[in-house]
Amino acid sequence: QQQVKQSPQSLIVQKGGISIINCAYENTAFDYFPWYQQFPGKGPALLIAIRPDVSEKKEGRFTISFNKSAKQFSLHIMDSQPGDSATYFCAATIAYSGAGSYQLTFGKGTKLSVIP
Amino acid sequence: NAGVTQTPKFRVLKTGQSMTLLCAQDMNHEYMYWYRQDPGMGLRLIHYSVGEGTTAKGEVPDGYNVSRLKKQNFLLGLESAAPSQTSVYFCASSYSKGLTNYGYTFGSGTRLTVV
Repeated sequence: QQQVKQSPQSLIVQKGGISIINCAYENTAFDYFPWYQQFPGKGPALLIAIRPDVSEKKEGRFTISFNKSAKQFSLHIMDSQPGDSATYFCAATIAYSGAGSYQLTFGKGTKLSVIP
Repeated sequence: NAGVTQTPKFRVLKTGQSMTLLCAQDMNHEYMYWYRQDPGMGLRLIHYSVGEGTTAKGEVPDGYNVSRLKKQNFLLGLESAAPSQTSVYFCASSYSKGLTNYGYTFGSGTRLTVV
């Protein structure tokens, strides 16, 4: 059972364009939705995250849009640059329940290529 | 500031051999995790630990064992390696403050090939 569905699997964007990656989740108990960026040969690194009490969060060129009723969230990369070429993973977890450790449930990843 | 360090970075095993992957974190995090990453599958949780001396199963625990004898170390063992365990393994750690969890940090990975 895949609890977080991510699309597309791969994405090619021209330099300066907008990259959009979408995720949908099933578990309504999830309360924290991070996005990770992974470069080849490296571990995933936290890029940006959102809680479901806000509909949008922006950090520089990266924006998360969140739709609680549709159980969907997306990552928008504005003015995409070749240096943004990486694999992006959405994730979801229960972070605020006080239940102890929080286990991230990941989407399958999107390989982004930004071409000059 | 090393963060999360994994050793070794690469390893080739023959089917049936055993090995231990070591994860060390210097951030005093309570929680530690082992994930495996396979093409097109994302990252899947193998085992995790909420503190020294405690471990629990994740999504894909079969064929693996773990131990957390010291807070800063989390070991992943393969007793009898199988080709299906060829993967990139990532360790991660996090901490909590009150009811909130923070600071999920990944190591740089161990690429394991079982032939």
